[in-house]
Amino acid sequence: EAQVTQNPRYLITVTGKKLTVTCSQNMNHEYMSWYRQDPGLGLRQIYYSMNVEVTDKGDVPEGYKVSRKEKRNFPLILESPSPNQTSLYFCASTPWTGFGEQYFGPGTRLTVT
Amino acid sequence: GQQLNQSPQSMFIQEGEDVSMNCTSSSIFNTWLWYKQDPGEGPVLLIALYKAGELTSNGRLTAQFGITRKDSFLNISASIPSDVGIYFCAGQIYGQNFVFGPGTRLSVLP
Repeated sequence: EAQVTQNPRYLITVTGKKLTVTCSQNMNHEYMSWYRQDPGLGLRQIYYSMNVEVTDKGDVPEGYKVSRKEKRNFPLILESPSPNQTSLYFCASTPWTGFGEQYFGPGTRLTVT
Repeated sequence: GQQLNQSPQSMFIQEGEDVSMNCTSSSIFNTWLWYKQDPGEGPVLLIALYKAGELTSNGRLTAQFGITRKDSFLNISASIPSDVGIYFCAGQIYGQNFVFGPGTRLSVLP
């Protein structure tokens, strides 16, 4: 089944403890992206990647890192999480950079205390 | 970043009624996408539109790409309880990132 998967789905952590949220797609899509969704603010893009080894900042990149070593995987790294990073995170992929249908993962609910 | 405008923000309808919602922008887009999101879940793609004036259906859902390329419309016919959720639009210009609307929250009363 064609899909975008994320792990974990739920995570509670403490301030400053490094964490990684994994994202994988099995559709051979070029473009991948991370978003956070907060009440009243909608979906905001954190980082995106147009292909392997090509990543760029979105609208809200502060406090996050990403890497794209393989086409299928695009992990989101929080080196030192803070409470303001408590949010619902989505990974998404699109077949081609700049064009095509965007498919979302199921989401990761992160709480930082 | 830029956001799209969606209306209405929320709506309450009776089961069986038809629903209309729209999405507008000050910019021209090449692609319009419509999604449905259930609480705590990932957005699910409903319909994709690629051409001005295009009208596309997916079951009881019909969406249109506005002629001006600055708007799009989604209609749901004969609503049922499982239609409850947040519907949001996304627009894209070739080579650029997606821009999202804030969503329309739909409630269906039995």
